[in-house]
Amino acid sequence: EPEVTQTPSHQVTQMGQEVILRCVPISNHLYFYWYRQILGQKVEFLVSFYNNEISEKSEIFDDQFSVERPDGSNFTLKIRSTKLEDSAMYFCASGGTATVPLHFGNGTRLTVT
Amino acid sequence: DQQVKQNSPSLSVQEGRISILNCDYTNSMFDYFLWYKKYPAEGPTFLISISSIKDKNEDGRFTVFLNKSAKHLSLHIVPSQPGDSAVYFCAASADSGGSNYKLTFGKGTLLTVNP
Repeated sequence: EPEVTQTPSHQVTQMGQEVILRCVPISNHLYFYWYRQILGQKVEFLVSFYNNEISEKSEIFDDQFSVERPDGSNFTLKIRSTKLEDSAMYFCASGGTATVPLHFGNGTRLTVT
Repeated sequence: DQQVKQNSPSLSVQEGRISILNCDYTNSMFDYFLWYKKYPAEGPTFLISISSIKDKNEDGRFTVFLNKSAKHLSLHIVPSQPGDSAVYFCAASADSGGSNYKLTFGKGTLLTVNP
């Protein structure tokens, strides 16, 4: 069964540094998402991406965050200047259409020190 | 802002018995509901879903019930198996059919099925 793959599985960075989290969505999917889960809290929507542009973003997704689909396979989340509160598990997800369930990757655990 | 609530953080059942996980929502615009299962160190895995035009959807051992008037849904697992032990997330969407499929998740319920 096709999978969403995320790299790295764990990223440790210092506060103020830039990080790029990478995702390879399922190949024929058209809708791409980033979610995050801070330890002990619920999974939260960050951003959705369709047709090479952001279709919706949450209030969490401020100017420090950006997403990109640099080629036909990768989907990246960049955090320009990380803060301690950015420490979380970041999940990439993709969907074939707007009405099918999202498929999630195994996540990248980001630790900001 | 808890639009999707799972009030039981944990549930423990015996193997072979029924597991019932509950979820309440407040946003009347939600029209599509899903249950995801999550094992440690893995992402959420889709389990079953239901559209707001239905009140029940069944898939093998898993059945989801939706009570729109009460804004409540439940997931029934019968019979429960030890491999079902995981965190179960209820999720809802108000955007089915559009170009966006943003999910709002509950906090999850940790199900433990004892052999």
